[in-house]
Amino acid sequence: EPEVTQTPSHQVTQMGQEVILRCVPISNHLYFYWYRQILGQKVEFLVSFYNNEISEKSEIFDDQFSVERPDGSNFTLKIRSTKLEDSAMYFCASSFNGPTYEQYFGPGTRLTVT
Amino acid sequence: AQSVTQPDIHITVSEGASLELRCNYSYGATPYLFWYVQSPGQGLQLLLKYFSGDTLVQGIKGFEAEFKRSQSSFNLRKPSVHWSDAAEYFCAVVGPNTDKLIFGTGTRLQVFP
Repeated sequence: EPEVTQTPSHQVTQMGQEVILRCVPISNHLYFYWYRQILGQKVEFLVSFYNNEISEKSEIFDDQFSVERPDGSNFTLKIRSTKLEDSAMYFCASSFNGPTYEQYFGPGTRLTVT
Repeated sequence: AQSVTQPDIHITVSEGASLELRCNYSYGATPYLFWYVQSPGQGLQLLLKYFSGDTLVQGIKGFEAEFKRSQSSFNLRKPSVHWSDAAEYFCAVVGPNTDKLIFGTGTRLQVFP
């Protein structure tokens, strides 16, 4: 069964450093998402991406964040200058055709900022 | 604004017992509703979804959920719980004019043998 994959599974970085989290969505899916879950808190929406542009973003997704689909398979989340409060589990998700279809989640990348 | 409430933070049941996890949503129109499960160290797996039609929906792993518009609820049920069902369960909602899933805070299920 096709699945969403994410790399790395765990990333440790120092405050102020740039990180790139990578995702490979399901191949025929057209909508892509990033969510995050701070330890002990609920899963929060960050951004949705369709047709090579951001379709929606939350207030969390400020100028420090960016997303890109550099080729036909990868979908990346970049944090330009990490802060301690960026420490969280980041989930990538994809959907075949938008909000009326279910979103399939990857296993997550645990980001630890020290 | 849309919101999802899961009133039970932690539930403990014995293996073989029945289970009901509560979910209430706040949304003006009929939302699209989902239940996801997260096992330790794993991602979120979709258990079931409701978009329209029959208000009782069947999902994977023997789970079902019932949409009740009058109570703004979408409770998850299972008649007989297995030890492997121990996990965190999230209810989520998405509106028709948005992409984003809004999650509840989750209910952690513990199963005793």
